[in-house]
Amino acid sequence: TAGITQAPTSQILAAGRSMTLRCTQDMRHNAMYWYRQDLGLGLRLIHYSNTAGTTGKGEVPDGYSVSRANTDDFPLTLASAVPSQTSVYFCASSDSEKSPLHFGNGTRLTVT
Amino acid sequence: GQNIDQPTEMTATEGAIVQINCTYQTSGFNGLFWYQQHAGEAPTFLSYNVLDGLEEKGRFSSFLSRSKGYSYLLLKELQMKDSASYLCAVPDSNYQLIWGAGTKLIIKP
Repeated sequence: TAGITQAPTSQILAAGRSMTLRCTQDMRHNAMYWYRQDLGLGLRLIHYSNTAGTTGKGEVPDGYSVSRANTDDFPLTLASAVPSQTSVYFCASSDSEKSPLHFGNGTRLTVT
Repeated sequence: GQNIDQPTEMTATEGAIVQINCTYQTSGFNGLFWYQQHAGEAPTFLSYNVLDGLEEKGRFSSFLSRSKGYSYLLLKELQMKDSASYLCAVPDSNYQLIWGAGTKLIIKP
């Protein structure tokens, strides 16, 4: 089934450790996004990429980095995790900036 | 700045009709999206409004008034499976979505 695959599904990470959340799409969408979702708050954009080779900062980029080496993959890296990064992380893609987003199933990250 | 407001939680009865409101403040306007999110799952697209008026899609309809900065999602013939959070989102000037916190809809038998 076409769509977006995120890995891992969940993870417990010790503070100070690094981790990469993986995201792959097979819809050949140009734009990809990383959001975090916290209870009582709307989805907040961390980083985005409008096309392969380019990335941009969203609303809450600090502590996170991304790369977009090709169309399909958009990994999110936490260089040194902190407890405030405990959240559910969603990767999404869209065909264009005016198109609906397609979301992955999310990664539930707990930083202890 | 941009701001989106939605009620935090609503309760409705199976078979009834419910209206979920969303008010927004944006520097420009590039449309308004509604998404549905079941607990523990990813959001899924419901509707996109860019012109004023009502757009109907089966049991779900979405309304937009650009002059009032107001939208609503209307759900008819409610089913238990409609229990979910409903998210309102508008693009900013860079077409990045600004999201409301979502409205949790509880359906009772």
